[in-house]
Amino acid sequence: EDKVVQSPLSLVVHEGDTVTLNCSYEVTNFRSLLWYKQEKKAPTFLFMLTSSGIEKKSGRLSSILDKKELFSILNITATQTGDSAIYLCAAYNFNKFYFGSGTKLNVKP
Amino acid sequence: GAVVSQHPSRVICKSGTSVKIECRSLDFQATTMFWYRQFPKQSLMLMATSNEGSKATYEQGVEKDKFLINHASLTLSTLTVTSAHPEDSSFYICSAPGQPYGEKLFFGSGTQLSVL
Repeated sequence: EDKVVQSPLSLVVHEGDTVTLNCSYEVTNFRSLLWYKQEKKAPTFLFMLTSSGIEKKSGRLSSILDKKELFSILNITATQTGDSAIYLCAAYNFNKFYFGSGTKLNVKP
Repeated sequence: GAVVSQHPSRVICKSGTSVKIECRSLDFQATTMFWYRQFPKQSLMLMATSNEGSKATYEQGVEKDKFLINHASLTLSTLTVTSAHPEDSSFYICSAPGQPYGEKLFFGSGTQLSVL
């Protein structure tokens, strides 16, 4: 059965902390791994990863994919209260997007 | 990036009525659109895949007659919740794979449905 598992399910940190969110996947014909941030409504796109070992960065956020061990991590450095959201990862296999349960991040002032 | 427009953003209806939700790709063509349902503090649950020119593909456990999906054109898909009941209250969100390889999903803004 194809599945995506995220951990932790929830996380509470203080501003300035660094966090690492995990996403493991078992998806047949895997093509790419995507990260989204969901605040109140629609998820917004963060990263798409297709190759192992190549880090993608956007400001304080970065992500990397390991296709051998079948996982990805999303790092957020110097967290801010505006980073509070649910972070979703999804694995794509040319047919469907399989979403994990999400990690709810709460950044306290 | 590609834009997906979803309307209405919020709807409140009486039990037994039907509600239609529209999803449009504004600046690209989408032969496929995905409809998700999301309960509070939970992840996205795929309900069905909408295909332009053919029948929608429903996920296991999703009632086809309850959730009618029509992909009328390359830019429009609709989800109709028929004879809505309070248990159908949820956040519904559509998405479309962006071109050129369809690997990136673009989401509509979602519809919060409340059935009284």
